[in-house]
Amino acid sequence: AQTVTQSQPEMSVQEAETVTLSCTYDTSESDYYLFWYKQPPSRQMILVIRQEAYKQQNATENRFSVNFQKAAKSFSLKISDSQLGDAAMYFCASLKDNAGNMLTFGGGTRLMVKP
Amino acid sequence: KAGVTQTPRYLIKTRGQQVTLSCSPISGHRSVSWYQQTPGQGLQFLFEYFSETQRNKGNFPGRFSGRQFSNSRSEMNVSTLELGDSALYLCASSVLAANTGELFFGEGSRLTVL
Repeated sequence: AQTVTQSQPEMSVQEAETVTLSCTYDTSESDYYLFWYKQPPSRQMILVIRQEAYKQQNATENRFSVNFQKAAKSFSLKISDSQLGDAAMYFCASLKDNAGNMLTFGGGTRLMVKP
Repeated sequence: KAGVTQTPRYLIKTRGQQVTLSCSPISGHRSVSWYQQTPGQGLQFLFEYFSETQRNKGNFPGRFSGRQFSNSRSEMNVSTLELGDSALYLCASSVLAANTGELFFGEGSRLTVL
């Protein structure tokens, strides 16, 4: 079974600054995928970034990037130039290969952005 | 393009009753997944349907069931409701059958069991 752990229940960042959200996971699979999803207050959850485990290069999407450390089973999300709209719950998730869309989510980190 | 639509958005039931929640995926999406979100347990996978077939099922009791129709719309049903079933039920659709993990979520159906 896969497990995903987010050790920071809450984080805060000043607008325009950089913040890093932590995530560790445990899996016995060799092929798997990792994700960060964002859930704004009272709005739909959306995919922020996706990483295939077989790729060594860290994924990047505009101001969002990940630090994928496969051996350490660590998958952190860095948000650069934080904006007020980044305030949300962030969920780290894993998906093993050939498991359809059966994601395993971490407990989430609430990110607050201070103006 | 319309997003994932879930109905009803809010509902209140009493213990022992049953409830049916509906999900209309994004047009063209054939995979529909359901997740339960609670403060204590977080986000937990319930089941996934693709082309009217259940592909995966999470670790929930048999009181939780679902189905998918030929137009890809999906319903989930919870029978003999318990207080612990109070949760936000999220539906998500995906365009591909393969595990891309790129899910498009609805706003959820918030169920309160009294």
